[in-house]
Amino acid sequence: AQTVTQSQPEMSVQEAETVTLSCTYDTSESDYYLFWYKQPPSRQMILVIRQEAYKQQNATENRFSVNFQKAAKSFSLKISDSQLGDAAMYFCAYRSANTGNQFYFGTGTSLTVIP
Amino acid sequence: DTEVTQTPKHLVMGMTNKKSLKCEQHMGHRAMYWYKQKAKKPPELMFVYSYEKLSINESVPSRFSPECPNSSLLNLHLHALQPEDSALYLCASMGQNDEKLFFGSGTQLSVL
Repeated sequence: AQTVTQSQPEMSVQEAETVTLSCTYDTSESDYYLFWYKQPPSRQMILVIRQEAYKQQNATENRFSVNFQKAAKSFSLKISDSQLGDAAMYFCAYRSANTGNQFYFGTGTSLTVIP
Repeated sequence: DTEVTQTPKHLVMGMTNKKSLKCEQHMGHRAMYWYKQKAKKPPELMFVYSYEKLSINESVPSRFSPECPNSSLLNLHLHALQPEDSALYLCASMGQNDEKLFFGSGTQLSVL
């Protein structure tokens, strides 16, 4: 099974500031997908951003961007201009492009946004 | 319609009860998932159905019984549950040409 590691159980950021959440993963595959999911207090899991491993360009979605370092097996999420609504659990996830439908989730980072 | 709908949203049951959780999607997705999630923890995979056939069973106790009656519907039948089974149960789906999971809003289950 693939391993996804989020080494920061909790993070906090001042409103309007920038924060980076870390994620590393272990795989021997070359073709895969990486995701960041957000789970606010409502507990609805929402896709924040997705990265295909074959793409060198880092994915961006409005205030959310990733730093994908394939050789280092690192996939960090940067949130710019943090807003109160960004407070949530953030899960990093991995899925192989070739072997089945299974997703592997990290342990999560709880983000607090300070007004 | 880009939603995964789960019912009920909340369920309280005794250890001798039988109940069912329901999940529905009309996006034509062929893979459907059940996850169990405890507070502040990641989702734990329970079952995956692919083209209406059970493709992954993560050694889930037999008191949980999944069913996929058709390509849009996924059920989870519950019987003789234990208090430690109390959790949020999430359903998700994934399309054939789509690499991401679409999640429902979950059923918060309490076993007394």
